[in-house]
Amino acid sequence: QKEVEQNSGPLSVPEGAIASLNCTYSDRGSQSFFWYRQYSGKSPELIMFIYSNGDKEDGRFTAQLNKASQYVSLLIRDSQPSDSATYLCAVKEDFGNEKLTFGTGTRLTIIP
Amino acid sequence: EAGVTQSPTHLIKTRGQQATLRCSPISGHTSVYWYQQALGLGLQFLLWYDEGEERNRGNFPPRFSGRQFPNYSSELNVNALELEDSALYLCASSLSGEQYFGPGTRLTVT
Repeated sequence: QKEVEQNSGPLSVPEGAIASLNCTYSDRGSQSFFWYRQYSGKSPELIMFIYSNGDKEDGRFTAQLNKASQYVSLLIRDSQPSDSATYLCAVKEDFGNEKLTFGTGTRLTIIP
Repeated sequence: EAGVTQSPTHLIKTRGQQATLRCSPISGHTSVYWYQQALGLGLQFLLWYDEGEERNRGNFPPRFSGRQFPNYSSELNVNALELEDSALYLCASSLSGEQYFGPGTRLTVT
């Protein structure tokens, strides 16, 4: 059973600070990694994806991937109250199998 | 660019009935995916369609089925509804790997 693990939280971070969200996965063959943001009652919104080891930055968001440690993280700089949401980590096995396996999500609260 | 659309927004059915959910992908996307998000269970992969063919299905019983039409829109059918089928059903579309979700259909089985 391929698993994706996230700390369910809640994670509370002061406004303006860096929020750090972590995810581990069990399948060494996983190739693609995604972070989705889901507001309560809404559908998931893709905010970052990363395919290679290292860091990928997009605005206030940085995704970090370490395949040797089977670990992927999301950093949110200058956290805003609008960042308060559940963040879902998703993993895809390989380029021929398009199924996403999701973690259960980390609930993030930004404290003004 | 219009996103993924789904209909209906809400659907209320009685146990034993059938439900039909619809999805239109982002223009140009050929792959459609269905996921179930039940309370406390997270997002579970249901089905993947590409170019009109079913490519993969998750660990769900055969009463969950679907199809993809020539215009790449898709339909999810759930037969013999059970109470535990109550969930948010999400459709996503993709062209080159990243999946974008629609707003979902909330199915309630009473």
